[in-house]
Amino acid sequence: DAKTTQPTSMDCAEGRAANLPCNHSTISGNEYVYWYRQIHSQGPQYIIHGLKNNETNEMASLIITEDRKSSTLILPHATLRDTAVYYCIVLSGGYQKVTFGIGTKLQVIP
Amino acid sequence: NAGVMQNPRHLVRRRGQEARLRCSPMKGHSHVYWYRQLPEEGLKFMVYLQKENIIDESGMPKERFSAEFPKEGPSILRIQQVVRGDSAAYFCASSHRYATNEKLFFGSGTQLSVL
Repeated sequence: DAKTTQPTSMDCAEGRAANLPCNHSTISGNEYVYWYRQIHSQGPQYIIHGLKNNETNEMASLIITEDRKSSTLILPHATLRDTAVYYCIVLSGGYQKVTFGIGTKLQVIP
Repeated sequence: NAGVMQNPRHLVRRRGQEARLRCSPMKGHSHVYWYRQLPEEGLKFMVYLQKENIIDESGMPKERFSAEFPKEGPSILRIQQVVRGDSAAYFCASSHRYATNEKLFFGSGTQLSVL
């Protein structure tokens, strides 16, 4: 699986959009980009995933660059409950044998 | 619909004892994954099981650790003769099928503390 690089931490004002970047320059054509988040002491929660097209669901939007070497997770209106560690991972091979890296610690500020 | 259920939520063991962690996947899910998270670190894959079969245990320590997912009942992660270094949060996840674009549903984890 391709490696990913994320900033260690970010702050975002409550009510504003949170844009979390992820670099995955070695991604291959059949690898999906996934985002999960982990709120303190809880299990990770699935957010969104995509292959090459941009995706949107009730939680977030995922923007994947045309060359697929990077992506951005957008939380359109961040709330205090969005404070969490956000993990960007790329997957192939049919099952999710993956190590979640350190991720980005997002702090939403009132 | 019940999510992935893990128990116990907290488990305290003395060095040398055995720890048994249980995971009931979501209804209809037959694929189970176990992950370990050490303090201030990310989650690391340990083992992937389907009903009655271990598919990939490449992330599991060779000694003292074992996992099973019987035909009936929860998946069990067993740690024999625990040591202080085994203290961590252990998370179980399940999925409906074998597919790259299949999302995982995680339980709340078991926090193992070894005294």
